[in-house]
Amino acid sequence: DTEVTQTPKHLVMGMTNKKSLKCEQHMGHRAMYWYKQKAKKPPELMFVYSYEKLSINESVPSRFSPECPNSSLLNLHLHALQPEDSALYLCASRGVEQFFGPGTRLTVL
Amino acid sequence: GIQVEQSPPDLILQEGANSTLRCNFSDSVNNLQWFHQNPWGQLINLFYIPSGTKQNGRLSATTVATERYSLLYISSSQTTDSGVYFCAVDTGGFKTIFGAGTRLFVKA
Repeated sequence: DTEVTQTPKHLVMGMTNKKSLKCEQHMGHRAMYWYKQKAKKPPELMFVYSYEKLSINESVPSRFSPECPNSSLLNLHLHALQPEDSALYLCASRGVEQFFGPGTRLTVL
Repeated sequence: GIQVEQSPPDLILQEGANSTLRCNFSDSVNNLQWFHQNPWGQLINLFYIPSGTKQNGRLSATTVATERYSLLYISSSQTTDSGVYFCAVDTGGFKTIFGAGTRLFVKA
């Protein structure tokens, strides 16, 4: 099974809301990723967790807060977002190859 | 950091035609993957190919690591091949860099 699941598929939130994106994999991978993708652009790396520890933070604003509760789960907590944060948020897990989830389409009003 | 360039940026094909997509990278890489992003945003793994040649049906890929490029071949293209093709690399560690992509449209 090479499936990575993400919830929700779509999310609309106001600038004062707090919400969370969730990602799950059961491939036994020890590295998990968050990417942000704007329209007509490639995915941009945000965070990498390796063995449940934050390994890479690509200078992401603190209104995005990642969390890795265990080796199968990855969350992205959102607070006080701006309209320019509207994008497709992709989760991936990696053994040798990276496998991506279907993404969450986020709209910030 | 490493630079990844893909060409062409856009490609329009008639169904049944063949095409070659290119990915150039500016430094040695540990990993290289090709992905197809469908119109719904899902990134689909095509090849994990840090070196050598692989084939999967109508698709094949070759990476010449010493010359820092990879090629993706699509033969007998179909309308379902439409979408964006990305090359993604890393130089060791976990940091992955994507090229800007090639946007392919296959006409019926």
